[in-house]
Amino acid sequence: FTLTQPPSVSESPGKTVTITCSGSSGRIANTFVQWFQQRPGSAPTSVIYEDTKRPSGVPARFSGSVDRSSNSASLTISGLRTEDEADYYCQSFDNSNYVVFGGGTKLTVL
Amino acid sequence: QVQLQESGPGLVQASETLSLTCTISGGAINNYYWSWVRQSPGRGLEWIGFVYHTGSTSTHYHPSLWTRASISLDTVNNQFFLELSSVTAADSGIYFCARRSEWHFDLWGRGTLVTVSS
Repeated sequence: FTLTQPPSVSESPGKTVTITCSGSSGRIANTFVQWFQQRPGSAPTSVIYEDTKRPSGVPARFSGSVDRSSNSASLTISGLRTEDEADYYCQSFDNSNYVVFGGGTKLTVL
Repeated sequence: QVQLQESGPGLVQASETLSLTCTISGGAINNYYWSWVRQSPGRGLEWIGFVYHTGSTSTHYHPSLWTRASISLDTVNNQFFLELSSVTAADSGIYFCARRSEWHFDLWGRGTLVTVSS
């Protein structure tokens, strides 16, 4: 089971960007997806868990969704700020409930 | 406020065993999946495994690492450990400890850099 993300996306400040995460099998339809932000030199931090929930302190500009019919998940960031520039990773679980991470997407805010 | 802190040698000789400690401060140890995740230079995140404690202890490992990895827990001193045997240069990277509650990795350590030297 693998999760595939685009290597990079870019958008301008104030705009909206969506990062996709595609599962190699139907597994996403049967489990939860999480999203992490990782700035250079720092540990990952959770921005979305259980598909759509935001941890305390994460602004409402961050939202998650899952399309079970296409076995994919998305992270949408609206009102982009320069501080959103980071690597973003999706994460889910395989059939044995082992943790799987996507390859990461580098977000550039131009 | 719960915090995690990794510690251990930053340099390990090839074919030796990598040993890391994660110290949990300010929080309970039961009912969480205490996990290790690593990141090779310039690459993505790779889950190593977890130890779970609620009375008894269970562990699970990444299928590609289960023959070399061992994760254990010290409930008295609120620490958990990673041992990775027979290391090679491919095991170099940043090692993070993290707490997972059911589905959510809600707390991470800052990470510790390990270099495997030949």
